[in-house]
Amino acid sequence: DAGVTQSPTHLIKTRGQHVTLRCSPISGHKSVSWYQQVLGQGPQFIFQYYEKEERGRGNFPDRFSARQFPNYSSELNVNALLLGDSALYLCASSQGVLLGGVGELFFGEGSRLTVL
Amino acid sequence: DQQVKQNSPSLSVQEGRISILNCDYTNSMFDYFLWYKKYPAEGPTFLISISSIKDKNEDGRFTVFLNKSAKHLSLHIVPSQPGDSAVYFCAASARGGGADGLTFGKGTHLIIQP
Repeated sequence: DAGVTQSPTHLIKTRGQHVTLRCSPISGHKSVSWYQQVLGQGPQFIFQYYEKEERGRGNFPDRFSARQFPNYSSELNVNALLLGDSALYLCASSQGVLLGGVGELFFGEGSRLTVL
Repeated sequence: DQQVKQNSPSLSVQEGRISILNCDYTNSMFDYFLWYKKYPAEGPTFLISISSIKDKNEDGRFTVFLNKSAKHLSLHIVPSQPGDSAVYFCAASARGGGADGLTFGKGTHLIIQP
């Protein structure tokens, strides 16, 4: 079975531009979460979506938005890019909203964004 | 304010010996804890988890211990193997990790020496 797939794997943008990152969850998983990992830090929670609805949001500005499609895939959008948005963006899927009883969080390889 | 702390940026252990990775947390609302392993250019891979109602969970060579009163957990790897060399992240969640996601530490780079 395919794992979590993300695209693109690498991309370079300039300040002020917009970026869209895409994620396909593991087959059968209905929840997708997005995390940002800055160099030298652990991943930081951005969003969780379940059944196309936002179920959780981390401490990120409104420039960050996401959505989930009927096939459970997801997009993360970032507007007005800043240098500080340079990071590895990780998508993770799980069977349900909660952990433990319905399975853990499985991560993709990430999309590395560089903002110049 | 870091709610999950991994105070050792790196740890070097001889092959065959026990590796012990430590993690401290400050948020008493955390009720579920996980360890992830990350190789370069790959996403984090789930290793093992523990609920706050337990104090120990084993899975093969990996054991996680939870000390709620000290707000401390540790991951033991026995015996350590060369393929265990990676960055290990401790993560915690409150209320099952739904609305608030997982809170990660900064990671510990484990190096297994031959």
